Amino acid sequence: DIVLTQSPATLSVTPGDSVSLSCRASQSISNNLHWYQQKSHESPRLLIKYASQSISGIPSRFSGSGSGTDFTLSINSVETEDFGMYFCQQSNSWPQTFGGGTKLEIK
Amino acid sequence: EVKLVESGGGLVKPGGSLKLSCAASGFTFSSYGMSWVRQTPEKRLEWVATISGGGSYTYYPDSVKGRFTISRDNAKNNLYLQMSSLRSEDTALYYCARHEGTTATFAYWGQGTLVTVSA
Repeated sequence: DIVLTQSPATLSVTPGDSVSLSCRASQSISNNLHWYQQKSHESPRLLIKYASQSISGIPSRFSGSGSGTDFTLSINSVETEDFGMYFCQQSNSWPQTFGGGTKLEIK
Repeated sequence: EVKLVESGGGLVKPGGSLKLSCAASGFTFSSYGMSWVRQTPEKRLEWVATISGGGSYTYYPDSVKGRFTISRDNAKNNLYLQMSSLRSEDTALYYCARHEGTTATFAYWGQGTLVTVSA
């Protein structure tokens, strides 16, 4: 199975900061990497698909990059509504797997 | 508006069975692949099962293969997950999710139904 390792586990930031979250795959997955946001007591929400493709309705401050084994989710000027958990998911091969998540918290 | 509403969760003893349902609305149900994804008490997300739009193809991870069965009724816009030989490690919040087009992304999620496996 492909293992996705997210770092850091927790990121403490101040609103207005710009941040980068990392997701590293145990083997190459091309661009078959997707990002989700989960706020407390809510279901996950798709943010970015295929490493860098935007999703309708998602604010433009969210962007993704990377291919192969290293991927990054960037948030340009974090807003208070952005705090929560972020997960990456690979669909390159079965079984589909998720990373362990990064918690974005207020400093 | 896409809406997915899960039901059927509850407390079950190890070795027992349970059937989850997901009622879908707001889109042409038969046109989309559907999946079940669970979230463990430790907040880890795990893919559980996928079914194609027509229902002909199903996929499972080894952890549930042979114990769980995903199915759908396109006439009723319902998705199902039949779970048997349940184990304590199956305890989780189970989400129904719709794929985006023919992709393997989980574009829409329900609110989840809680399954607890305990003696």
